[in-house]
Amino acid sequence: KNEVEQSPQNLTAQEGEFITINCSYSVGISALHWLQQHPGGGIVSLFMLSSGKKKHGRLIATINIQEKHSSLHITASHPRDSAVYICAGSMRGAQKLVFGQGTRLTINP
Amino acid sequence: NAGVTQTPKFQVLKTGQSMTLQCAQDMNHEYMSWYRQDPGMGLRLIHYSVGAGITDQGEVPNGYNVSRSTTEDFPLRLLSAAPSQTSVYFCASSYTLPGQGIHEQYFGPGTRLTVT
Repeated sequence: KNEVEQSPQNLTAQEGEFITINCSYSVGISALHWLQQHPGGGIVSLFMLSSGKKKHGRLIATINIQEKHSSLHITASHPRDSAVYICAGSMRGAQKLVFGQGTRLTINP
Repeated sequence: NAGVTQTPKFQVLKTGQSMTLQCAQDMNHEYMSWYRQDPGMGLRLIHYSVGAGITDQGEVPNGYNVSRSTTEDFPLRLLSAAPSQTSVYFCASSYTLPGQGIHEQYFGPGTRLTVT
């Protein structure tokens, strides 16, 4: 049983489209992390949130604690947004993250 | 700040050889961790440390050793390399907030290891 589930696994869209990636998590996870990994590249932390919404440029992350659900949105998507997006749960009081399988996003020009 | 640095970037080992992957951070983070990333498997935690002198096992610790003699350094040792250890290895560091688990993680650039 995976404690963090992402969907979709793969997503292809045209430049300019609004993108949504979803993440559901189980009881015991107190915060959600969103990470970005470009092909052959390193991993960058985009957001960490335990409530509400955070925005950085064209990226928006939301979390609904009651529904145990988080979403990552990309507005006005661009080919440079093509990457794998990973959500990970931080367990309250535990010193480790639980990772989702990742969503491979491809934005075509 | 250099952030999290890892060396080497690439390494090829023969089965049975040993080696150490280096990881260092200059952000004074108490939490450091090692992950491996395999195709279709996502990131898996190998070992982690919550401070100098304290280490613990993650999800896939077999075949690996770690130590944390300083806050800055967290080396990962492969004792006797096996082809199943072919992977990309990431080191990460973070600070933690009481009762809230791990805060934002900073990842190193990764080490691509091939064991033949």
